[in-house]
Amino acid sequence: DQQVKQNSPSLSVQEGRISILNCDYTNSMFDYFLWYKKYPAEGPTFLISISSIKDKNEDGRFTVFLNKSAKHLSLHIVPSQPGDSAVYFCAASDGGGGSNYKLTFGKGTLLTVNP
Amino acid sequence: KAGVTQTPRYLIKTRGQQVTLSCSPISGHRSVSWYQQTPGQGLQFLFEYFSETQRNKGNFPGRFSGRQFSNSRSEMNVSTLELGDSALYLCATRRDNHEQYFGPGTRLTVT
Repeated sequence: DQQVKQNSPSLSVQEGRISILNCDYTNSMFDYFLWYKKYPAEGPTFLISISSIKDKNEDGRFTVFLNKSAKHLSLHIVPSQPGDSAVYFCAASDGGGGSNYKLTFGKGTLLTVNP
Repeated sequence: KAGVTQTPRYLIKTRGQQVTLSCSPISGHRSVSWYQQTPGQGLQFLFEYFSETQRNKGNFPGRFSGRQFSNSRSEMNVSTLELGDSALYLCATRRDNHEQYFGPGTRLTVT
């Protein structure tokens, strides 16, 4: 039972254009969402996060949007750069104010940014 | 500020053996979580330790165990290795919020 789904295994965009990575979840108890970027042979690198009390969070070229009613979030990268080419993981947590910070990950989307 | 370190980075073992992996957290981070990454299953949560106590556990058999020391360093152990245990084992540490920071991982190959 996959509680966090990234339905696109791969995405290819041109340098300078927008990259949109999507993620859907099924567990309504999830209240915090994170995006990680991973290069081969390295651990995931934290990119950006959003709490369920918000619908948007922005950090430089990266913006995450959350639609709670649709149980959907997306990561926008503008403008895309070749160095952004990596696997992007969406993760969710149902810790809230408690102590359960277990992250449930999607299976990742391979983003390729072409020069 | 030093990041999360994991040792060893690569390991080859044979079926039936046991293995111990180590994780040193970022200074000030008291929580250490372990994840297994495989091509088929993606990143799966193994367990989390905080203040030397296991606080959460994923759906893995009892062959997978861990512990945390008073300096927050953590080890995970896998006994009676199976071919399917071949994976990248990642540890992640955090201070007191949701944001976990990952180490580079230990690539375990079981032959």
